[in-house]
Amino acid sequence: EAGVAQSPRYKIIEKRQSVAFWCNPISGHATLYWYQQILGQGPKLLIQFQNNGVVDDSQLPKDRFSAERLKGVDSTLKIQPAKLEDSAVYLCASSLVPLAPSNTGELFFGEGSRLTVL
Amino acid sequence: KQEVTQIPAALSVPEGENLVLNCSFTDSAIYNLQWFRQDPGKGLTSLLLIQSSQREQTSGRLNASLDKSSGRSTLYIAASQPGDSATYLCAVRDNYGQNFVFGPGTRLSVLP
Repeated sequence: EAGVAQSPRYKIIEKRQSVAFWCNPISGHATLYWYQQILGQGPKLLIQFQNNGVVDDSQLPKDRFSAERLKGVDSTLKIQPAKLEDSAVYLCASSLVPLAPSNTGELFFGEGSRLTVL
Repeated sequence: KQEVTQIPAALSVPEGENLVLNCSFTDSAIYNLQWFRQDPGKGLTSLLLIQSSQREQTSGRLNASLDKSSGRSTLYIAASQPGDSATYLCAVRDNYGQNFVFGPGTRLSVLP
């Protein structure tokens, strides 16, 4: 079974430029998460989708960050314009919706996209 | 609001030692708790998942326990090896089954 796919793995941009990250979750996983991980810290949730609807985007800086999951499968996270403090690893994760006793609700991560803003 | 802490922040041990990593959470109304491993420059790899109704889970040299009422989980690593060197993170999923909240991680170094 293929895991969570993310691209690009690395991106270096100058401040005020824009960048986009792509994620393809595990097949059949209805829930998709974008996390931001700053060096030395645990991941912080940016946005959570269930199918193509947004469940939680309360911590997404909406003046510069946007995300979409148009067909309920893959997703794109965009930053425009980027700031120095956006330098971080952007992690995508997916899970089944934990509604059935047989579903553990385990979370699976991709390799992440490392962003450096100069 | 759920908060997750992990102690210690960093740990360095000689090869072969048994060790315990701690995770604490403030709201006991959790759906499950998951332990992850993260190697430098990599994503998170799932190690063990404990449902709220369970007390512990085991996989090889790893054993994770959960005491929901006291808001604590421990990850026990037996006979540590240099290959165990990584950052270990715990995450709790709230009782509505939606959001995960992560701890800051424990950075483990196992010296040969």
